[in-house]
Amino acid sequence: EVQLVESGGGLVQPGGSLRLSCVASGFMFRNYWMSWVRQAPGKGLEWVAKIKPDGSEKYFVDSVKGRFTISRDNAENSLYLQMNSLRGEDTAVYYCVMGGSWYNYWGQGTLVTVSS
Amino acid sequence: DIVMTQSPDSLAVSLGERATINCKSSQSVLYSSNNKNNLGWYQQKPGQPPKLLIYWASTRESGVPDRFSGSGSGTDFTLTISSLQAEDVAVYYCHQYYTPPHTFGQGTKLEIK
Repeated sequence: EVQLVESGGGLVQPGGSLRLSCVASGFMFRNYWMSWVRQAPGKGLEWVAKIKPDGSEKYFVDSVKGRFTISRDNAENSLYLQMNSLRGEDTAVYYCVMGGSWYNYWGQGTLVTVSS
Repeated sequence: DIVMTQSPDSLAVSLGERATINCKSSQSVLYSSNNKNNLGWYQQKPGQPPKLLIYWASTRESGVPDRFSGSGSGTDFTLTISSLQAEDVAVYYCHQYYTPPHTFGQGTKLEIK
């Protein structure tokens, strides 16, 4: 059974940093693109970033370029999202998703709140 | 960036009736090398992560009831629920994965009339 478990969310002040983690199980993590999708409270879905299986290619939505970094540790079956210079508009539930195209497996999400 | 625009924003349909949601992309999402449209549909219920319904614009994900179908090509797509059930009340999103950023539509809220 595929499982994606996010952690690392919480309350952070504007300008602060957080690192989200996602531990994957139930599939060959090292063979799959992985992505992050976020959802602000009461709003729609926003694609954030994706990373190639070997980590050699990474893509970001413009609003997070230069502030967020996506990485992975295939030995630990883990995906990460390093978020710096956080803004109020980054407040959202962040989902770890399996795949780089369509997403048939999603984590339950971790809430990031950026507020003073 | 490709902009995905769904219509309508909300929709109320009677049980057993057909529900139709439209999605328009600002540029074609048809990948010429395999002649497939890079378009998916998701269903999201309150408090849950989204669930994949359709990929390649018309391929139903395993386990999805056959009352859900996807159609369209290029820039215009449709999700159809042939006979609305109570459990279909949700927000539906289209999603293009043709080129990053892989944008979503704004969502369509489906309710029972």
